[in-house]
Amino acid sequence: EVQLVESGGGLVQPGGSLRLSCAASGFSFSDHYMDWVRQAPGKGLEWVGRIRKKTNSYSTEYAASVKGRFTISRDDSKNSLYLQMNSLKTEDTAVYYCASASGSYSHFDHWGQGTLVTVSS
Amino acid sequence: DIQMTQSPSSLSASVGDRVTITCRASQSISSRLAWYQQKAGKAPKVMIYKASTLESGVPSRFSGSGSGTEFTLTISSLQPDDFATYYCQQYNDYPLTFGGGTKVGIK
Repeated sequence: EVQLVESGGGLVQPGGSLRLSCAASGFSFSDHYMDWVRQAPGKGLEWVGRIRKKTNSYSTEYAASVKGRFTISRDDSKNSLYLQMNSLKTEDTAVYYCASASGSYSHFDHWGQGTLVTVSS
Repeated sequence: DIQMTQSPSSLSASVGDRVTITCRASQSISSRLAWYQQKAGKAPKVMIYKASTLESGVPSRFSGSGSGTEFTLTISSLQPDDFATYYCQQYNDYPLTFGGGTKVGIK
């Protein structure tokens, strides 16, 4: 059974940092692109960014709203995905989901349950 | 950026009704479109990908059509388990973008 389990969410002050993790199991993690998608309370889905697989040099893409502040990384030996969030703003408050995709032109085939990040003073 | 516009934003329907949701892309995305279902407090779940391919395990009352810029998700006979919010998403170009969602409620 495919599982994606996020952790690391919580309350952080504006300007602060937080690191989210996503533990994967039940599929070939290293063969998948991995993404972060967020959802602000009561709002729709917003793509945050993507990290490709080793054969694509672990290259990354980011939404304009987080570029320069957020960094996505992965550790294939641990089947884990990470999201380092710096210079957090109140508008970053959201449930953050990790999701997998089989390739560049592919939908999100599996999602985690999400972890809530609240940015507030 | 490719803008995805869904309509309607919400609808009320009865069990057994035929429901159609439309998604329009601001430029051609070929067939690189997926539909997701999200229930309250849960993660989204893919229902349709490549515009018209049914995800394994998804009931056949769900269908998708379209290409280029106009797409539809149809539920042929709405069931109690289908009341949820539905999102379209394009994966033709970065940034990946979602429609605003369509909430399907009970009439």
